Amino acid sequence: AQSVAQPEDQVNVAEGNPLTVKCTYSVSGNPYLFWYVQYPNRGLQFLLKYITGDNLVKGSYGFEAEFNKSQTSFHLKKPSALVSDSALYFCAVEDNFNKFYFGSGTKLNVKP
Amino acid sequence: KAGVTQTPRYLIKTRGQQVTLSCSPISGHRSVSWYQQTPGQGLQFLFEYFSETQRNKGNFPGRFSGRQFSNSRSEMNVSTLELGDSALYLCASSLTGYYNEQFFGPGTRLTVL
Repeated sequence: AQSVAQPEDQVNVAEGNPLTVKCTYSVSGNPYLFWYVQYPNRGLQFLLKYITGDNLVKGSYGFEAEFNKSQTSFHLKKPSALVSDSALYFCAVEDNFNKFYFGSGTKLNVKP
Repeated sequence: KAGVTQTPRYLIKTRGQQVTLSCSPISGHRSVSWYQQTPGQGLQFLFEYFSETQRNKGNFPGRFSGRQFSNSRSEMNVSTLELGDSALYLCASSLTGYYNEQFFGPGTRLTVL
């Protein structure tokens, strides 16, 4: 079965430190990969996507993600975290039949 | 441009009733997808409509149905509500639905008593 895993329910990081939110997937073919963020009481917002090309993708608010085909991973990263980055982050995968699969979400806590 | 709007924002229903949720996509977007978000299951894909046709469907029972109108607005219907249907229902629109980022509405919070 197709699935997306975000192994950490919560990630805690100090402001100014680098952050990583992990995502691995088990989806056949050559899927397309996305990251979304959900702030409290707000809808999900698109951060970035990987379709093809360079394995390092840059997105909104200084976030980037690295695609690793051999490890079927698409980890979200940011060199220097901000308190305002605290939110719920979702990894999503679109398979070759154009169905979307979302991970369970990772809550990012950035402490001042 | 106005964002994706969903109505109503909150609903309380009792078991056995039915409910209809509405979604207005961003102007020019022809694809509308619906998701169910629960704390335990995360986001689960319900279905996607494009040009008034259901193009994709997730693994939900037939009690969950939807439709899309010629102006791309979409409705989702849940019949014979169960307690487990309590969730946040999210609508998302995109230009074509394929490989495009989706723009999400604020959701409809459905509580089934």
